[in-house]
Parts: sequence; C-alpha cells; structure tokens
Amino acid sequence: NAGVTQTPKFQVLKTGQSMTLQCAQDMNHEYMSWYRQDPGMGLRLIHYSVGAGITDQGEVPNGYNVSRSTTEDFPLRLLSAAPSQTSVYFCASVESLANTEAFFGQGTRLTVV
Amino acid sequence: GENVEQHPSTLSVQEGDSAVIKCTYSDSASNYFPWYKQELGKGPQLIIDIRSNVGEKKDQRIAVTLNKTAKHFSLHITETQPEDSAVYFCAARGAQKLVFGQGTRLTINP
Repeated sequence: NAGVTQTPKFQVLKTGQSMTLQCAQDMNHEYMSWYRQDPGMGLRLIHYSVGAGITDQGEVPNGYNVSRSTTEDFPLRLLSAAPSQTSVYFCASVESLANTEAFFGQGTRLTVV
Repeated sequence: GENVEQHPSTLSVQEGDSAVIKCTYSDSASNYFPWYKQELGKGPQLIIDIRSNVGEKKDQRIAVTLNKTAKHFSLHITETQPEDSAVYFCAARGAQKLVFGQGTRLTINP
C-alpha cells in the first residue's frame, strides 16, 4: 500500500491562478479531509468527506472547493489563488469514524506570489 | 464547534528528562483524543490516542492522561531521547471533525 499520496509536493502560483491539489489513498478509507498548516496555527480543517459523493466544510473553507467522485480520490481546488493561501496542505484519510487513526500524506507546499 | 488549545508552543528539555504538553478542548461531546508527531518535511503520524471512557493510557515512554470533567488532556514523554525532537499536535474529535491544537515544538538538548 502506498497510503495517502499527494501531488505535487511543491507549487508556486501567481495571484488569481487556479490549480488542483491531488490526493489519493489506496486503503479503501471512507473518510478523507484536507488541512492547511500555518506557523503557530496548527492544522486547520478546510473540507472533509465522509464518503463518495458527500463533502462538507471545515473551519476555513473559503476559496477552496472539493469533490469526492470516488472513494480513492479527494482533490482540492483553489479557484483564484491569493497570497493568504500560501501554506502547507495536508490530505488525511481515516478508515471509518469508528476506526479513528488518521493517515496523512507528505504535504504540498504552496506559495502564491 | 470544537476548539483545542495547546501549550506550550515550544519546549526545550535535557536528554533523559521528561516532557509534558497540555491541551484543553471546548466540546464536551468530543470522545477521541489523539496525539501526532510531525518530523521535518513529513506529514503528522499518530503516536498515541485515548478515548473518552479511559483516564490514562501508556505505551513505553509515552503516556496520555484525560480529565473529562476539566476538558483537558496531556502528553507525557519520559526519558527523552534526541529522536523525540519534533512538533507534536494534540487533537479532539467530536461528530465528524478532527480539530487540532496549535502544535508544540519539542527540542531535546544533548
């Protein structure tokens, strides 16, 4: 098993550009989520999904869209990048809410200039 | 919604000493409290967790305690070693969301 795979690892965007951060897991986990990590702020939840076709907002959803068309994939879309979205983004998956260990990807470091 | 506060933000201890990190949470419905360790350039990894029906859990040099009445939980690392240097996060899970604290950067001095 590869676990949780995020691509790309690094990305530089210009203000106003759009892009998609990819996240895939091969563990057949029901629950997936996206976090952003900023210095002194910990990990803040952007969006999450409890299963294919179901998504919901976390603490900081503005400026981001998600979809969950398959169990394996949970892409995060930045519609119009802003410097405030400069951060490290982590995708995580959990087998089910009853089995609660979250497995994280290696992260995507995004810089918006 | 749930809010998790973590202290201290940085902690420096001598090798062999103990380290304690504390967290408080706001939602009394939260029932699962994991701790994650993040090494440089990597994603967080679970090191220990505790559920709301347990007061204390230990795994070798790591222990976690939970006080549901006061809504706080703590991570204890004994006999610290250089490889314990990392950023540690506490978290609390309620209905569907896992909410993290701000993180503690632990440095072990030789």
